[in-house]
Amino acid sequence: DIVMTQSPDSLAVSLGERATIDCKSGQSVLYSSNNKNYLAWYQQKPGQPPKLLIYWASTRESGVPDRFSGSGSGTDFTLTISSLQAEDVAVYYCQQYYNTPYTFGQGTKLEIK
Amino acid sequence: EVQLVESGGGLVQPGGSLRLSCAASGFSFSAYAMSWVRQAPEKGLEWVSGTVDDGGRTYYADSVKGRFTISRDNSKNTLYLQMNSLRAEDTAVYYCAKVGPDGDYEMQWGQGTLVTVSS
Repeated sequence: DIVMTQSPDSLAVSLGERATIDCKSGQSVLYSSNNKNYLAWYQQKPGQPPKLLIYWASTRESGVPDRFSGSGSGTDFTLTISSLQAEDVAVYYCQQYYNTPYTFGQGTKLEIK
Repeated sequence: EVQLVESGGGLVQPGGSLRLSCAASGFSFSAYAMSWVRQAPEKGLEWVSGTVDDGGRTYYADSVKGRFTISRDNSKNTLYLQMNSLRAEDTAVYYCAKVGPDGDYEMQWGQGTLVTVSS
């Protein structure tokens, strides 16, 4: 199974500041034949189901604010929130969908400083 | 509007069985792969199982292989998860999800149904 490791486990950022969450996969999730990274990011607010933010490592889902961006390739990925808003308080998960069983990172809890 | 409504959760004794259902609406159900993802209390997300659009291929996490069976009835727009030989560690909220059209990311999620395995 591909192990996904996020850092940090928790993060406190001031409103309007940049938040960065890293995700590392135990093996590459880049499929050479189509040059796509099989990596997604989700946001989960308390008491709610997860919500897809980013897929193919950097494609923003429809309706997701453009302050959210994804980057990286191979084994190292980053979710960036360019200017933190109060409504961004949540737990964020990365997921690889390169190989079954698909696996998630342990989650990063984002709070306001 | 896409809607995914899970049902069938509840309290079950260890070794027991339960069948979860997920009623889908607002999209062409038979055109999409679907999956189940669970979340134990105060824990992270765990992908459980997935199936392709016609149900012809299924996939499982090692933790449930041989005990859980995913299936779908495209005529009823419903996804199922048959859970047998349940263990305490299967206690979780179970979410059904619509999978993306071009990759197996979970595009949309239901609200979840709670399964508690306890004597």
